[in-house]
Amino acid sequence: DTEVTQTPKHLVMGMTNKKSLKCEQHMGHRAMYWYKQKAKKPPELMFVYSYEKLSINESVPSRFSPECPNSSLLNLHLHALQPEDSALYLCASSRSAGQPRHNEQFFGPGTRLTVL
Amino acid sequence: GQQVMQIPQYQHVQEGEDFTTYCNSSTTLSNIQWYKQRPGGHPVFLIQLVKSGEVKKQKRLTFQFGEAKKNSSLHITATQTTDVGTYFCAEGGNNRKLIWGLGTSLGVNP
Repeated sequence: DTEVTQTPKHLVMGMTNKKSLKCEQHMGHRAMYWYKQKAKKPPELMFVYSYEKLSINESVPSRFSPECPNSSLLNLHLHALQPEDSALYLCASSRSAGQPRHNEQFFGPGTRLTVL
Repeated sequence: GQQVMQIPQYQHVQEGEDFTTYCNSSTTLSNIQWYKQRPGGHPVFLIQLVKSGEVKKQKRLTFQFGEAKKNSSLHITATQTTDVGTYFCAEGGNNRKLIWGLGTSLGVNP
């Protein structure tokens, strides 16, 4: 299985809602990532988990809360978001996160989030 | 901070014409990765180049890494409408972050 899956595909939420994005991979990859992507821009790194531990937080506001329940799953909990948080949220995985030869990333299809 | 510059930002070609996108850095790159993102899609890993002067081919796509490891190119021969999308280069260094170029958006007129 060489696929990263993400749910939901689309999400519309109000600024007071709490929701979660989910990501799963079964490639045995030990690094997982959350990215935010705005239209016509490259993906912008938010968080990196390496061996199920948070290793990078790119100064993301606390209204985004990541969670890695196990090596195959990655969640992003959302609370009190702002309209400017509307974007495509991408999950990715790689074999490892510390060795350049093994850090090519495999992306899921993304969750298109709209905050009203 | 480290930057990867990518040009052109946009290019439209007639189907059958060739296309090239370039990535440049002022510092030596550890490696360079190329991704393709179709409209409405997600980035898909194409290839990674590691060695100075490396050239790799995938059907009509040719990837090059410069001798000084400061630049890279992706060349598509005889474009097809299926090549439409944004092509990103990214440097994957020793840390856990990819440094992304801004991408080149390719349009192909049938």
